[in-house]
Amino acid sequence: DAKTTQPNSMESNEEEPVHLPCNHSTISGTDYIHWYRQLPSQGPEYVIHGLTSNVNNRMASLAIAEDRKSSTLILHRATLRDAAVYYCIQENTPLVFGKGTRLSVIA
Amino acid sequence: DVKVTQSSRYLVKRTGEKVFLECVQDMDHENMFWYRQDPGLGLRLIYFSYDVKMKEKGDIPEGYSVSREKKERFSLILESASTNQTSMYLCASSLLGARGYTFGSGTRLTVV
Repeated sequence: DAKTTQPNSMESNEEEPVHLPCNHSTISGTDYIHWYRQLPSQGPEYVIHGLTSNVNNRMASLAIAEDRKSSTLILHRATLRDAAVYYCIQENTPLVFGKGTRLSVIA
Repeated sequence: DVKVTQSSRYLVKRTGEKVFLECVQDMDHENMFWYRQDPGLGLRLIYFSYDVKMKEKGDIPEGYSVSREKKERFSLILESASTNQTSMYLCASSLLGARGYTFGSGTRLTVV
């Protein structure tokens, strides 16, 4: 079972920041949080992962709460190409995908 | 650019046929995985492998088998295809644990 909880869907305007929340209240101290996204008609792709502190890469930022029970994926300026299903995954091997959040971006 | 290549993008097979779905990765990854994806059910793990000739059952292995004779190739086999195996099949590979999975583009299989 997926151990994370995400909203089913979210909507954003183009060029606005997007904050995608995720709850992972049962996370252990050594489990990373991973984010993947799936564009239409493609396989999922890795976005970012983190353990305790905030993380940044060219795709997004990941803000992890101090108690590690929640995190937020931040897309700084949403584009139409960011419309996808975003999966938040509590580290597990192999990866267990939940339903994710379907992000719609409005022009 | 690293790649996971699935042999077919679309496939149509008849009920009862033996079906082979091939997946090849060029990243020298140890781990390989097969998922299926259905509307409303998300991605579900069928089988995975952490080494050559090694395989482990995932959440829904019934009706499937796998083969990993070489490190770069992981085959999913439908022994006798049925209509409820109509789905999108996704292969993935990774080097270490849960980090940095690379997925293929998927094979959309229709069993008629």
